[in-house]
Amino acid sequence: DVKVTQSSRYLVKRTGEKVFLECVQDMDHENMFWYRQDPGLGLRLIYFSYDVKMKEKGDIPEGYSVSREKKERFSLILESASTNQTSMYLCASTGTGELFFGEGSRLTVL
Amino acid sequence: RKEVEQDPGPFNVPEGATVAFNCTYSNSASQSFFWYRQDCRKEPKLLMSVYSSGNEDGRFTAQLNRASQYISLLIRDSKLSDSATYLCVVPRGGFKTIFGAGTRLFVKA
Repeated sequence: DVKVTQSSRYLVKRTGEKVFLECVQDMDHENMFWYRQDPGLGLRLIYFSYDVKMKEKGDIPEGYSVSREKKERFSLILESASTNQTSMYLCASTGTGELFFGEGSRLTVL
Repeated sequence: RKEVEQDPGPFNVPEGATVAFNCTYSNSASQSFFWYRQDCRKEPKLLMSVYSSGNEDGRFTAQLNRASQYISLLIRDSKLSDSATYLCVVPRGGFKTIFGAGTRLFVKA
């Protein structure tokens, strides 16, 4: 069974803290993505990676960075969390089309 | 105009009803389309791909209208378990995809 695992389901952080969201997939997919999902806005692409150490900005990269040191792992980093980054964060991977999502990480920034 | 637009609903239908959702898109170059289903507090999962000739899977039928730039999802004989949010997905280019905000469906006994 395919699996995308996000390290934390729920996080509460304070403004200015550095936040790491980890995502691991076991399908040997080359392409991995980070989205955020907000009510009424749908899923918006933050960053994606099509290979190890390769990354591209999505539609809303400001305030975020990513790291892909190994094929199976894609990390999202909030260097200095702000309240407008309170959201549901979804990691996904794909080989040839269908996106497989993790269960999501709900981040609250106080 | 948004790249992908969906009626947010909610659609409230009784069991056994037929319900249809539309999704309009602005990029006329898009070639393939998808419907994802997202249950409450869960991750999205692929429901159907949408081909130019349409696609049918049991009670679900997806259609594409290129001329009017919309895709539709028809659910026949609705079940309680069909209650979910249905996301329209339009690939933009490469591996970038645009998600609609979703249409919420509630099926009631």
